[in-house]
Amino acid sequence: QKEVEQNSGPLSVPEGAIASLNCTYSDRVSQSFFWYRQYSGKSPELIMSIYSNGDKEDGRFTAQLNKASQYVSLLIRDSQPSDSATYLCAVNRGTGGFKTIFGAGTRLFVKA
Amino acid sequence: NAGVTQTPKFQVLKTGQSMTLQCAQDMNHNSMYWYRQDPGMGLRLIYYSASEGTTDKGEVPNGYNVSRLNKREFSLRLESAAPSQTSVYFCASREGAPTDTQYFGPGTRLTVL
Repeated sequence: QKEVEQNSGPLSVPEGAIASLNCTYSDRVSQSFFWYRQYSGKSPELIMSIYSNGDKEDGRFTAQLNKASQYVSLLIRDSQPSDSATYLCAVNRGTGGFKTIFGAGTRLFVKA
Repeated sequence: NAGVTQTPKFQVLKTGQSMTLQCAQDMNHNSMYWYRQDPGMGLRLIYYSASEGTTDKGEVPNGYNVSRLNKREFSLRLESAAPSQTSVYFCASREGAPTDTQYFGPGTRLTVL
């Protein structure tokens, strides 16, 4: 079992819809959780971080964390074609939380 | 303020050759990371350095060595390159608490023939 699992997709949604991306992790002592966006041929960039159970909203993005279920999700409201990218879930674990493990990523396509 | 820089951008090696990938950051971050990215595999952690003077193995350390030369620089060495090491290599530096955001370099595309 991978430490961080994501559905590889592709996930296709129409413009203006809500895109829902999911991630599960195996290590219960994981401390902090991140969503990075990566456009084709580019470097990953952070879009959301979350550290405690519940929801965290930032503009059109909402991250949700459920530590009991070891589950993290990202909702993108009013999806735009510019949101088409690969979304990587990442988890910090280990002593001091310095060891970062990424999932394989979910490819999202937003159709105009 | 260049952020995270990596050299070279592209490299082709023959099996058995060695090379060092260079990474530098100018954001005064304590922690730095090396990842490789293969199609469909996401980012896999090779080595990381939580602070100057320390390095630790990640998920896929075999065939690699690292050096944290100083706070700014973190290099990755392939002693005897193998075709399985063909990949895109990303270096990242990590901002401290509370954000813990990682900032990535542009990547090095390495091909081993």
